[in-house]
Amino acid sequence: AQSVAQPEDQVNVAEGNPLTVKCTYSVSGNPYLFWYVQYPNRGLQFLLKYITGDNLVKGSYGFEAEFNKSQTSFHLKKPSALVSDSALYFCAVRDKGSGGSYIPTFGRGTSLIVHP
Amino acid sequence: SAVISQKPSRDICQRGTSLTIQCQVDSQVTMMFWYRQQPGQSLTLIATANQGSEATYESGFVIDKFPISRPNLTFSTLTVSNMSPEDSSIYLCSVGWGTGELFFGEGSRLTVL
Repeated sequence: AQSVAQPEDQVNVAEGNPLTVKCTYSVSGNPYLFWYVQYPNRGLQFLLKYITGDNLVKGSYGFEAEFNKSQTSFHLKKPSALVSDSALYFCAVRDKGSGGSYIPTFGRGTSLIVHP
Repeated sequence: SAVISQKPSRDICQRGTSLTIQCQVDSQVTMMFWYRQQPGQSLTLIATANQGSEATYESGFVIDKFPISRPNLTFSTLTVSNMSPEDSSIYLCSVGWGTGELFFGEGSRLTVL
């Protein structure tokens, strides 16, 4: 079974400050991990993914995420937040193993609010 | 990536009627999915749309209520049948190629009165 947790419903940060949106996961094998962003009244947009290799993954719009196997975490980060980053962020996981589903499991979402 | 067109983008429907949502992709895709999302909430997978065969439904969703067609590798439809106010939601089409990430349409916002 695969699951993902986003412990924060909402994250508030001032513009220009670094931001972190947290995600932890559970899979029986090795994970594929993803972050998506959803702006108001829009569909989800793919931001970045971890498949293998370097634990620090860089994605769109200056976002990055760090895979930590020992803590089973994949937190989304950005060094300097913009007001336009305000959106709903979803973490997703998929089990890489042969018995795993091709369908990812999504977290409940974290609303990021960046204050001017 | 892919360009995914969903129609209608929004609709207001009467109780007891049915609505068909279309999803058109600009390239052939391996996987197509239909999700439901309450505004500001997480996604719930309805079914996997299988090309040329019956869709695979998740627990809690049945073919009589949510019939799905996928006649080819670029097109799918989801019908919400015999609608009630509880069906008011955003319906999202999603596609992938087995590389892991999914790409989503803009969604169809349905309101049932």
